[in-house]
Amino acid sequence: DAGVTQSPTHLIKTRGQQVTLRCSPISGHKSVSWYQQVLGQGPQFIFQYYEKEERGRGNFPDRFSARQFPNYSSELNVNALLLGDSALYLCASSLREGVKYNEQFFGPGTRLTVL
Amino acid sequence: AQKITQTQPGMFVQEKEAVTLDCTYDTSDPSYGLFWYKQPSSGEMIFLIYQGSYDQQNATEGRYSLNFQKARKSANLVISASQLGDSAMYFCAMREARTTSGTYKYIFGTGTRLKVLA
Repeated sequence: DAGVTQSPTHLIKTRGQQVTLRCSPISGHKSVSWYQQVLGQGPQFIFQYYEKEERGRGNFPDRFSARQFPNYSSELNVNALLLGDSALYLCASSLREGVKYNEQFFGPGTRLTVL
Repeated sequence: AQKITQTQPGMFVQEKEAVTLDCTYDTSDPSYGLFWYKQPSSGEMIFLIYQGSYDQQNATEGRYSLNFQKARKSANLVISASQLGDSAMYFCAMREARTTSGTYKYIFGTGTRLKVLA
């Protein structure tokens, strides 16, 4: 079975532009989470979606938004890009909520560079 | 607030030897989960092992074991018989208890870069 897929792999934007990142979860997984990983740091939680509803939000500005589609794929949008938004953006999927432990499976990430 | 601390920025280990990567955490919730992930240079996070706060025994997964000391709030990863392919970044993470919105959040440490020497 295919794992979590993300597109594009790499992206270069300039300050002020907008970007959309895409994620397809593992088949059957209904929960998708987004993380930002700045170089040299651990991932920071941005959003979690479950059954197309936002179920969690980290400490990120309103420039960051996301949505989940009926097929459980997800998009992360970032408006008015800043240099500090340069990072690896990771998507993770999990089967559902409420299980004993909620193992997440990560995609390969999208590396965003803002010039 | 919940926090994960990894105090070893980098570690070296000789091939076939064991290595321990340290992780301490801070939480006031009685129910939590602790995870270890491996991140090769390709960037993908690979799940290694999980320990629940109520689990009585230390978790083991093949060559990976988790030395869980609840009173000390530590969850160290032990890799036995290191292999060259184990060279990577290793992250300790904690799953927060369910929030008021009914979801979980994960907190990650800053990671430890492990280099296995031939």
